[in-house]
Amino acid sequence: AQSVTQLGSHVSVSEGALVLLRCNYSSSVPPYLFWYVQYPNQGLQLLLKYTSAATLVKGINGFEAEFKKSETSFHLTKPSAHMSDAAEYFCAVILNTGFQKLVFGTGTRLLVSP
Amino acid sequence: DARVTQTPRDKVTEMGQEVTMRCQPILGHNTVFWYRQTMMQGLELLAYFRNRAPLDDSGMPKDRFSAEMPDATLATLKIQPSEPRDSAVYFCASASQGITEAFFGQGTRLTVV
Repeated sequence: AQSVTQLGSHVSVSEGALVLLRCNYSSSVPPYLFWYVQYPNQGLQLLLKYTSAATLVKGINGFEAEFKKSETSFHLTKPSAHMSDAAEYFCAVILNTGFQKLVFGTGTRLLVSP
Repeated sequence: DARVTQTPRDKVTEMGQEVTMRCQPILGHNTVFWYRQTMMQGLELLAYFRNRAPLDDSGMPKDRFSAEMPDATLATLKIQPSEPRDSAVYFCASASQGITEAFFGQGTRLTVV
């Protein structure tokens, strides 16, 4: 079965510091992977996606993620955190269980302090 | 600006009442997902449709929940009777064939008292 695991329900960084949010996947075939962001009282917005093209994927708001097959990882990074990055971040994978479906990890809340 | 529209945005109801949540997917999208978000369980996939046909509703409590797509522009999620444990934010998302991106609505915040 395919799934994603997000390590750390909360991550705290200072403004200007590196952001690293971890996501590991389990899949027997090359997966489609996604990072979504959710701001308070909002729906989910796509940050970036990996669909088996380039392994380093750049997204919106300065975020990027690297697909590493050897580590089964798809960690999200941003070189310098802004206060406006404070939100919940979800890693997601397409499951191919006869039919495709989109399944999410448990989420990581990013806290940014001045 | 294409977007997924969910109504109502907020719903407070008494236990035992019927609740219907509606979703208008993006025009041309043929895949619709229903998710439930709670603090304890995170984002749970309840059901999803392709070309209006239900593909998987294994995440949905069958005794009280039902999901339908009367036509390509409307998806509904119904709870009858509602219970306090159903209190959550319910999200609808739509995608085109291949699901390279799913677009989410703003959600319906349901409170059952």
